[in-house]
Amino acid sequence: EVHLLESGGGLVPPGGSLRLSCAASGFTFSNYAMSWVRQAPGKGLEWVSGILGSGATTYYADSVKGRFTISRDNSKNTLYLQVNSLKAEDTAIYYCAKEDTSSDYVDTFDVWGQGTMVTVSS
Amino acid sequence: QSALTQPASVSGSPGQSITISCTGTTSDVGGYDFVSWYQQHPGKAPKLMIYEVSNRPSGVSNRFSGSKSGNTASLTISGLQAEDEADYYCCSYTSSSTVVFGGGTKVTVL
Repeated sequence: EVHLLESGGGLVPPGGSLRLSCAASGFTFSNYAMSWVRQAPGKGLEWVSGILGSGATTYYADSVKGRFTISRDNSKNTLYLQVNSLKAEDTAIYYCAKEDTSSDYVDTFDVWGQGTMVTVSS
Repeated sequence: QSALTQPASVSGSPGQSITISCTGTTSDVGGYDFVSWYQQHPGKAPKLMIYEVSNRPSGVSNRFSGSKSGNTASLTISGLQAEDEADYYCCSYTSSSTVVFGGGTKVTVL
């Protein structure tokens, strides 16, 4: 069974940093692009960042570019999101999501984790 | 990267059909057939319901269907059931090789 498990969320002051992780199982991790999608409390979904299977190509939403860094370790079947210079508006549940096909695009997410909560507050 | 435009809410009685619209631009919805729809129940992770405009993943009821015309995509739920009450989000690939979601639509079964 395909499974994604996020971890690393927590309470952090404005300007702080965190590293989120997403452990994948049940599929050949290196064959699939992966993304992070967030959801602020009571709000809609916002795509944050994506990375192709090899890890060589990454994509970011304008709202996080320069502050967040996506990466992956295919030997550990794990996706990461380094979040720096955090702002109150970054408070959200952060989901990792698997691309539906082994393509060189980030566009459709067929498996989602349960999410990890990041709260930015002093 | 402006969010795609969806109605905030749509409602219908059991057995009826409803349609949710999702309007973008030629740089996203209108330019590519990589439009997908997600269902999210409260406190749960989103679930893929439609991909590539009109395709249903295995296990998704055939009461859910998708289409697109120009810069607007649509999700239709036929034979509305109580379990369909949830938030629905459209999503599109963009010309910047990124992804944009709609603001979400709350579906209420009367």
